[in-house]
Amino acid sequence: GAVVSQHPSWVICKSGTSVKIECRSLDFQATTMFWYRQFPKQSLMLMATSNEGSKATYEQGVEKDKFLINHASLTLSTLTVTSAHPEDSSFYICSAHGPGQGPTDTQYFGPGTRLTVL
Amino acid sequence: GIQVEQSPPDLILQEGANSTLRCNFSDSVNNLQWFHQNPWGQLINLFYIPSGTKQNGRLSATTVATERYSLLYISSSQTTDSGVYFCAAVTTSGTYKYIFGTGTRLKVLA
Repeated sequence: GAVVSQHPSWVICKSGTSVKIECRSLDFQATTMFWYRQFPKQSLMLMATSNEGSKATYEQGVEKDKFLINHASLTLSTLTVTSAHPEDSSFYICSAHGPGQGPTDTQYFGPGTRLTVL
Repeated sequence: GIQVEQSPPDLILQEGANSTLRCNFSDSVNNLQWFHQNPWGQLINLFYIPSGTKQNGRLSATTVATERYSLLYISSSQTTDSGVYFCAAVTTSGTYKYIFGTGTRLKVLA
């Protein structure tokens, strides 16, 4: 199956700083990628849909200015948490549909990035 | 929007036991998937099953789309089966996005 990678795997930062998380599709092109957030012992919540070459679509309640998404190429989407605060500490996961697949097909998930804001 | 509920929320099994996990969804779906989230957080695709029955080794899944539920069967459970199991649904209307269920936390004891 398709492989999605994320970097870094974990990051610790001070309150007020910005953190960038990368999501890459390996060996395939992904016109659409998805960003999820998961709090401890909770389910995954979709934050935004990242579209190559255009603006991301954010879910209701997700602050666009705080969670900046850039999908500049067909294999890379980035999520930047700006002015991070302790309440932003979470597990962030990205995903993409496999090569040649449509919006109702399988999504493949990255390994996740654990963010801790002190 | 669509609601996806899973049961039971927690399950403890002795190694070798069988179990059934349930996923109920409130609307028609285009896609229903089952995932296993391992202790490191990685989501592993188990089944893509919008309808019908599929089997893969000790795991099998059945989705009855007309009655809006899906079942995941685990037979002869092993300690490596421990983790959280999620189902996720994509609706037939509106934008296509995954709505994840509430999850079942499984612990298999040696």
